[in-house]
Amino acid sequence: DAGITQSPRHKVTETGTPVTLRCHQTENHRYMYWYRQDPGHGLRLIHYSYGVKDTDKGEVSDGYSVSRSKTEDFLLTLESATSSQTSVYFCAISGRGAFQETQYFGPGTRLLVL
Amino acid sequence: EDQVTQSPEALRLQEGESSSLNCSYTVSGLRGLFWYRQDPGKGPEFLFTLYSAGEEKEKERLKATLTKKESFLHITAPKPEDSATYLCAVGKAGGGADGLTFGKGTHLIIQP
Repeated sequence: DAGITQSPRHKVTETGTPVTLRCHQTENHRYMYWYRQDPGHGLRLIHYSYGVKDTDKGEVSDGYSVSRSKTEDFLLTLESATSSQTSVYFCAISGRGAFQETQYFGPGTRLLVL
Repeated sequence: EDQVTQSPEALRLQEGESSSLNCSYTVSGLRGLFWYRQDPGKGPEFLFTLYSAGEEKEKERLKATLTKKESFLHITAPKPEDSATYLCAVGKAGGGADGLTFGKGTHLIIQP
C-alpha cells in the first residue's frame, strides 16, 4: 500500500455524531486525496491537498471537511454523520513532482452510519 | 464533464481464455490514463499509466493500450488469481493536483 495507513479500518457510528478518519503516509508525497467508493459508482473525489494547510474541494465535498497540518497526515471529518455517508473511504497519495503522477491508495476505512 | 465508461460490467472466463476489457473516456486534455486492480476489501492497486495514443505497457499476463478515445486491458491466458475488479481512471491536463475520474470497473472472474 505504498506506505499509506488509514485509521480506523472499520467504524460504526450513529447519525448526527462527528467522525474523523485519518490517513498517514511515510512517502513524503506532496499530494493527498480522499475518495469514497459506493456500489454503482466509481471512486469519487471528496477533497484533496496539495501541501500543508492547502486543500480544495472535490466532486462530492458536501458534509465533509479536511485538514492537513503535517505533510504525512490528512484528516477527513464528517461534522454530523448521515446514513448517506455510509461508504468505504480511501486515501491516496501522489508524487513529489510539480506534474501530478500516479496515485497510490491506502487500504480503506469502512464506515457504517446507523 | 470528464467521463469514463468501462465495459463489460462483469466478465466470466475460463482459465486460459484470453479477452479484453474496455475503457472509453471523454476528457478535455488527457494527462494520463490509469489502470488499477482491486481485490475485495482492499484498496486499488496500481497497474499501468498510459500518456499518449499508441502507447502500450505490459506486465505478466496484462497488456494495456491507448487510443484517443479508449483504452484496452488485454488479459492473455488468465489464471484464477487474476480474478478482481479492474478500474480505469483519467487525469486531466492542466489539472494540477486534481483527483482522477474513475469508471465503475469491470468485475472479472476466472474459473479454473
